[in-house]
Amino acid sequence: GDSVTQMEGPVTLSEEAFLTINCTYTATGYPSLFWYVQYPGEGLQLLLKATKADDKGSNKGFEATYRKETTSFHLEKGSVQVSDSAVYFCALLTSGTYKYIFGTGTRLKVLA
Amino acid sequence: SQTIHQWPATLVQPVGSPLSLECTVEGTSNPNLYWYRQAAGRGLQLLFYSVGIGQISSEVPQNLSASRPQDRQFILSSKKLLLSDSGFYLCAWSVFRDTQYFGPGTRLTVL
Repeated sequence: GDSVTQMEGPVTLSEEAFLTINCTYTATGYPSLFWYVQYPGEGLQLLLKATKADDKGSNKGFEATYRKETTSFHLEKGSVQVSDSAVYFCALLTSGTYKYIFGTGTRLKVLA
Repeated sequence: SQTIHQWPATLVQPVGSPLSLECTVEGTSNPNLYWYRQAAGRGLQLLFYSVGIGQISSEVPQNLSASRPQDRQFILSSKKLLLSDSGFYLCAWSVFRDTQYFGPGTRLTVL
């Protein structure tokens, strides 16, 4: 079946460091791909999305490119801030369904 | 603009008691609705989803049930709570096959 695999956390970085959180997927057809962020005690918020191969989603300095050849959607940010500390979820929506499949989440901690 | 409400925000219940969590969406029609559970430090587990009034799909067999009495209302219920039902319950909505939007969540502790 369809699935999403994220790198294990927690990831601890110093402020202004470069961030990469890996996400790979298995899916039939042409899924849409998403990154969500969850701050402590809150629901998930959409961070960015991409709906077809080679699309680049971007928001708040975060970017991710839909790579069909490597079935990946890695999240990157050039310079992280303390306020970026949160849990990040990669997710996909498979063609022809209404079910979203989420990765297990990656906790990011940014130190001042 | 669309908004999603969940209540209560926090709930502490004894084992064996009933449960009712409510979710409502405003500002959109015929949304797809979802219930997820997030155990402490874990990912999201899809419990139920609905693509229309009276249509409920169950993803995980357990002692929970869901109902959709109105277009923008989604209710999660249990007749008898178990300790393992503790967690953070999230409601979400989407339209067609676009982005999913999440509510603020309900933290349930079963003692």
